[in-house]
Amino acid sequence: NAGVMQNPRHLVRRRGQEARLRCSPMKGHSHVYWYRQLPEEGLKFMVYLQKENIIDESGMPKERFSAEFPKEGPSILRIQQVVRGDSAAYFCASSSARGIYNEQFFGPGTRLTVL
Amino acid sequence: KQEVTQIPAALSVPEGENLVLNCSFTDSAIYNLQWFRQDPGKGLTSLLLIQSSQREQTSGRLNASLDKSSGRSTLYIAASQPGDSATYLCAVRDSSYKLIFGSGTRLLVRP
Repeated sequence: NAGVMQNPRHLVRRRGQEARLRCSPMKGHSHVYWYRQLPEEGLKFMVYLQKENIIDESGMPKERFSAEFPKEGPSILRIQQVVRGDSAAYFCASSSARGIYNEQFFGPGTRLTVL
Repeated sequence: KQEVTQIPAALSVPEGENLVLNCSFTDSAIYNLQWFRQDPGKGLTSLLLIQSSQREQTSGRLNASLDKSSGRSTLYIAASQPGDSATYLCAVRDSSYKLIFGSGTRLLVRP
């Protein structure tokens, strides 16, 4: 049973370009969470999605960032017109259900570098 | 607003020592607390998860305790080894299902 998969593992973009980060949850999991880790900091919650629904996006920056989790395929975190401050590690986690006791399992992360 | 603090920020110990990492949180209304390990440039490995109704969890040389009323958790590592060197993250889960992380403790175990 493969774990949470993220790709690419490393992504380099120039300022103004778009970044697309993909997350495939564990088999049987329908809940996805995205977190961002800035250098030397802990992880910060960004967004929580179920298939075709955004449940909680309270941690998402108001502009340039969007996320989706379509009926088929991986969850996508999209950053438009990237700036240097977007350089960070982006982690995806998945869980099997919405219940408060359901553990989140983390992927290896995508490290975004903006030149 | 829930805040999670980890002390110390960094720790260096000789191999073989027993050590304690501390985590505190400001709002005791949590559903669970989880300790993770993060190696440089890598993802997160879950070490222990303590539900709010539990007081402690053990796995091998690791023991984590939870005192909800005082807003504290400790991770005890027995007989530390150089392979334990990593950053240890504490996270609490609140009613909104999100995990709220501390900034971590960077541990170095010297041979």
